[in-house]
Amino acid sequence: GAGVSQSPSNKVTEKGKDVELRCDPISGHTALYWYRQRLGQGLEFLIYFQGNSAPDKSGLPSDRFSAERTGESVSTLTIQRTQQEDSAVYLCASSLASNSEAFFGQGTRLTVV
Amino acid sequence: GENVEQHPSTLSVQEGDSAVIKCTYSDSASNYFPWYKQELGKRPQLIIDIRSNVGEKKDQRIAVTLNKTAKHFSLHITETQPEDSAVYFCAARGGSYIPTFGRGTSLIVHP
Repeated sequence: GAGVSQSPSNKVTEKGKDVELRCDPISGHTALYWYRQRLGQGLEFLIYFQGNSAPDKSGLPSDRFSAERTGESVSTLTIQRTQQEDSAVYLCASSLASNSEAFFGQGTRLTVV
Repeated sequence: GENVEQHPSTLSVQEGDSAVIKCTYSDSASNYFPWYKQELGKRPQLIIDIRSNVGEKKDQRIAVTLNKTAKHFSLHITETQPEDSAVYFCAARGGSYIPTFGRGTSLIVHP
């Protein structure tokens, strides 16, 4: 079956613009994670959704970042008033349950110019 | 929260040699430790994982060991091949269900 799908693959935006990144998890997966990976760096946790529970937003770096997920389907990560330091690959992962293996999407490479 | 340290940041070996990557974690409640391989420009992919009720797990040339008392775990790759070249990430997950990742190890296998 299809894996985790993210769109767009690449996004170039001007500083100050808003961007929206999309993640389609594997069907049936209840848990969904967003991570940020700066060039040559590790995976920085952003936000975690589990079923219909309130999301864990503890990793969001500022109030310019927000994310939504409707039920156990698509999630969108929104960055408002983008800054150059937001340039990174944004990775989404999903897992069947909160204690299962996490599968990653291919990421969205965001470049803020 | 959880803190994961990973060493070394870069590891260069000759084909056929063994490679060892080490991680430490801070939260004693962590009970699941996956390892991911990320090839250049690609998504991280799980290569092996271990839960806190076992001390070692093997899968062909790859093995992972866990020392709960010392809060450290290691990835061992034997008979390395050029296609093993990639960035490897360790992670720890506990009660929050959020995997915390190390900073990664760039493994280079020279033919």
